[in-house]
Amino acid sequence: KAGVTQTPRYLIKTRGQQVTLSCSPISGHRSVSWYQQTPGQGLQFLFEYFSETQRNKGNFPGRFSGRQFSNSRSEMNVSTLELGDSALYLCASSLGLLPGANVLTFGAGSRLTVL
Amino acid sequence: AQTVTQSQPEMSVQEAETVTLSCTYDTSESNYYLFWYKQPPSRQMILVIRQEAYKQQNATENRFSVNFQKAAKSFSLKISDSQLGDTAMYFCAFMKHNNGYALNFGKGTSLLVTP
Repeated sequence: KAGVTQTPRYLIKTRGQQVTLSCSPISGHRSVSWYQQTPGQGLQFLFEYFSETQRNKGNFPGRFSGRQFSNSRSEMNVSTLELGDSALYLCASSLGLLPGANVLTFGAGSRLTVL
Repeated sequence: AQTVTQSQPEMSVQEAETVTLSCTYDTSESNYYLFWYKQPPSRQMILVIRQEAYKQQNATENRFSVNFQKAAKSFSLKISDSQLGDTAMYFCAFMKHNNGYALNFGKGTSLLVTP
């Protein structure tokens, strides 16, 4: 069974550019969530999608957005990149269907460097 | 907002010994979930153990067990018979019940297992 796949694994952008990261969840998983990991702030929740609807959102500016497709794949987009957006972006998926089916399986992450 | 505090930034333990990682949290919720996740160096985050707040029995997974004290809002992780492969960053995390699958993480404890 394939795990959570994130692409690209590494990328370098310059300030002001935008970036799109992709996440393919485990087959059958309908919930996808995104986290930002930095040395200073640690792991912070960005947003969660379930059946193409945003179910939860963290405290990030509007430059951070996401979406989920009908096949549960998800993308997140960061516009007008700032140096502080340099981070490891983690995607996690879960079944999202049953009570207790809230164990998140994480991908390897996309490491974004903003110059 | 829920806060999760891990008061030990770094810990060290010898192989085969037992170590306990501390975690406290602050919430006004009565029902929730608590997790310990492990992030080995340059590898992806994996679930160690999960606890449902309404269950009084402490969760156990092989060499990993928790001491869940709901009134004290404490959730410590005990690793028995430590192995070199246990070297990793350990994150304690909180999830509300019936509010989607958003995790609030602590800052993490870096555990080093030495021969």
